[in-house]
Amino acid sequence: QKEVEQDPGPLSVPEGAIVSLNCTYSNSAFQYFMWYRQYSRKGPELLMYTYSSGNKEDGRFTAQVDKSSKYISLFIRDSQPSDSATYLCAMTHQGGKLIFGQGTELSVKP
Amino acid sequence: EPEVTQTPSHQVTQMGQEVILRCVPISNHLYFYWYRQILGQKVEFLVSFYNNEISEKSEIFDDQFSVERPDGSNFTLKIRSTKLEDSAMYFCATAPDTNYGYTFGSGTRLTVV
Repeated sequence: QKEVEQDPGPLSVPEGAIVSLNCTYSNSAFQYFMWYRQYSRKGPELLMYTYSSGNKEDGRFTAQVDKSSKYISLFIRDSQPSDSATYLCAMTHQGGKLIFGQGTELSVKP
Repeated sequence: EPEVTQTPSHQVTQMGQEVILRCVPISNHLYFYWYRQILGQKVEFLVSFYNNEISEKSEIFDDQFSVERPDGSNFTLKIRSTKLEDSAMYFCATAPDTNYGYTFGSGTRLTVV
């Protein structure tokens, strides 16, 4: 079983839709969870950072962590064409190396 | 907004040559990392560096790789004798401590021919 699994997509939605992106993981020691956005041939850009279980909201973005199910989600409300990118989940257990998911390619159509 | 700066943005090198990739971390950051991403694949951890020494490294980070912070500002990754399979995007990431999200640079695209 892979340490972090993420559906690579591609995912295509109309502008204004609510987008749900998800990752599952196998290592119960993970405590820090992040979502990054990556445009083509660019570096990952940190969107959300959460510690342990719970929800965190920042503007149109909401991150959820369910440690009991080993499942994390990122919701994007009122999606915009500028949200079109690859979204990467990443996690770490001791604040050291990040383990990344494969990335989900999102396309928001006008 | 503070940035992690990487140079060069693109490097083409012949197999067997040495390359040095450079990173300028955000000024108050103390933890430094190198990651790589082969085209179409996951971002993979290479090495972490804190207090002027390697704190963790992956299996990929073999004797051909080395890191240093030669002048207290730049953070470099050296590949001694490049192989075709070293072709990838190399990302530097930094953090003020380990309880924060990491800031990534824009990357260096390394092409080994």
